[in-house]
Amino acid sequence: NAGVMQNPRHLVRRRGQEARLRCSPMKGHSHVYWYRQLPEEGLKFMVYLQKENIIDESGMPKERFSAEFPKEGPSILRIQQVVRGDSAAYFCASSPPASGSTGELFFGEGSRLTVL
Amino acid sequence: GNSVTQMEGPVTLSEEAFLTINCTYTATGYPSLFWYVQYPGEGLQLLLKATKADDKGSNKGFEATYRKETTSFHLEKGSVQVSDSAVYFCALRPSTGTASKLTFGTGTRLQVTL
Repeated sequence: NAGVMQNPRHLVRRRGQEARLRCSPMKGHSHVYWYRQLPEEGLKFMVYLQKENIIDESGMPKERFSAEFPKEGPSILRIQQVVRGDSAAYFCASSPPASGSTGELFFGEGSRLTVL
Repeated sequence: GNSVTQMEGPVTLSEEAFLTINCTYTATGYPSLFWYVQYPGEGLQLLLKATKADDKGSNKGFEATYRKETTSFHLEKGSVQVSDSAVYFCALRPSTGTASKLTFGTGTRLQVTL
């Protein structure tokens, strides 16, 4: 049973370019969460999605950041016109539907974005 | 709002020493509480959890007790090993609101030496 799969593991972009990070949740999980971890800091919630719906985006920066979780395919976190301050590890987590949830999140290994 | 406060790291211990990492929280109602561990270059893994007051979570020799009266969930281990070197995160899930939206502490780095 594959865990949460994220790719790419490492991504280097120059300022002004776009970054796309992908996340495939665990089998049977329909809820996806994105977190950002800045160097030497904890994880900060960004967005929570279900298939084709954004449920909670209270942690997303107002500009340049967007997320989707289409009916088919992985969830994507998109960062447009990246700046050096976007350099961080981006973690995706998934959980089963609420009725089967114990509150635990299952994390991927993260995508580490470096902006030059 | 909800928040989690952890003791600052790094914590450096010799193998077989006793470990305590403090965690306190602020939340309304009765949140669920978690400890996650992050090994170098990896994602977070659930270490243990407690869902109601006075519950004790335990796993791999680690324990934490949900103390409602002191709003705490301190992590303990009687005898640490070098392989326990990692970053430990305390987290809470509120009793209401978004399904599994967790609030994390800033993490405590543990280094265990021979």
